[in-house]
Amino acid sequence: SQQGEEDPQALSIQEGENATMNCSYKTSINNLQWYRQNSGRGLVHLILIRSNEREKHSGRLRVTLDTSKKSSSLLITASRAADTASYFCATSSGSARQLTFGSGTQLTVLP
Amino acid sequence: KAGVTQTPRYLIKTRGQQVTLSCSPISGHRSVSWYQQTPGQGLQFLFEYFSETQRNKGNFPGRFSGRQFSNSRSEMNVSTLELGDSALYLCASSLEGSAGGSSYEQYFGPGTRLTVT
Repeated sequence: SQQGEEDPQALSIQEGENATMNCSYKTSINNLQWYRQNSGRGLVHLILIRSNEREKHSGRLRVTLDTSKKSSSLLITASRAADTASYFCATSSGSARQLTFGSGTQLTVLP
Repeated sequence: KAGVTQTPRYLIKTRGQQVTLSCSPISGHRSVSWYQQTPGQGLQFLFEYFSETQRNKGNFPGRFSGRQFSNSRSEMNVSTLELGDSALYLCASSLEGSAGGSSYEQYFGPGTRLTVT
């Protein structure tokens, strides 16, 4: 079963705008990761944030984590048409490599 | 380094048949996990192998099985296929081991699209 939900389910923005996606999860975690998936293909790892971190940056990506609220957000700044994809958060607990995925956000960036 | 490779990329099978999917992890990665992705259930964990041993297993029936070889390559097998097994099957590898370090990031292959008719 899925760990939690992502919000919104779908997001449509213009190129150059920022996109924010939210993820909620249910149990305590070791780390939270964000992945991108283009049209039914494999997932691409974007960023990992550990449970003792609150914010992390990578290029145009900013991830925040609030363990007290069991939630995370992914911000993509200055979006491009190539950012059009589904974005998933995934959590892991303990030392296991097992990932529990959220339901995903479908992002469409219009040129 | 070459990425995770999965074969075949597409497969069409008939109900009742069995299927074997293959995954080659990134060189040096010893942990291999399998996931099933369907429109209805999303991404679900099947099992994880490390050093030829199944370390974790998801909530799937016994028709789903896997194994890992000494070179870390992994296979998964689904027996007595059902229509509901139609899905994208994704394999992921991650680095683990005292010699090469360890990381929780998982690197996914392109997937095998299985269609059961």
